[in-house]
Amino acid sequence: GQNIDQPTEMTATEGAIVQINCTYQTSGFNGLFWYQQHAGEAPTFLSYNVLDGLEEKGRFSSFLSRSKGYSYLLLKELQMKDSASYLCAVMDSNYQLIWGAGTKLIIKP
Amino acid sequence: IAGITQAPTSQILAAGRRMTLRCTQDMRHNAMYWYRQDLGLGLRLIHYSNTAGTTGKGEVPDGYSVSRANTDDFPLTLASAVPSQTSVYFCASSDGLAGGPDTQYFGPGTRLTVL
Repeated sequence: GQNIDQPTEMTATEGAIVQINCTYQTSGFNGLFWYQQHAGEAPTFLSYNVLDGLEEKGRFSSFLSRSKGYSYLLLKELQMKDSASYLCAVMDSNYQLIWGAGTKLIIKP
Repeated sequence: IAGITQAPTSQILAAGRRMTLRCTQDMRHNAMYWYRQDLGLGLRLIHYSNTAGTTGKGEVPDGYSVSRANTDDFPLTLASAVPSQTSVYFCASSDGLAGGPDTQYFGPGTRLTVL
């Protein structure tokens, strides 16, 4: 079966760095997405990786290793507004997104 | 530009009733999707449409139907609601074009409670 694993919850301190991991087993691979979802709101797109390596976008970076079925989202200079759930999703061979359950990130002052 | 709108924002429904959740996008996207989101689970695809006039079943289609009469609208109907359909429903769209990431953009969601 298809599976996306990410930690349920993480806690970090304002101003620090946090890495949220995602491992996947899917039928085919056509890219990996990270979304941010604040409580009670819709998911919003953060990043997309289809080739191995690091994609940097401001304070957020996303890394992919296709051979290991592994990705991480790195958040730098954490701000209180970064408190949210972070969703990892993989596009499978049918071009459908398979979603992880999300990682709830709690930022403490 | 509104992006994607959904209606209603929330609804409490008696079991056995019929309900249609509305979704409209103004981005001229080819593809549209309906997901449900339940606590502790990832988003699960209910139905999708790659282009106007076509629809397909996702991971959890039972008890739901969709139609795609035009590019902008993609309503989701619960023919006879049951309590297990209590969830938050998100509509999404993407350009559906080959060669790109086909990023999905989400509406604000409908919170549905079936009693």
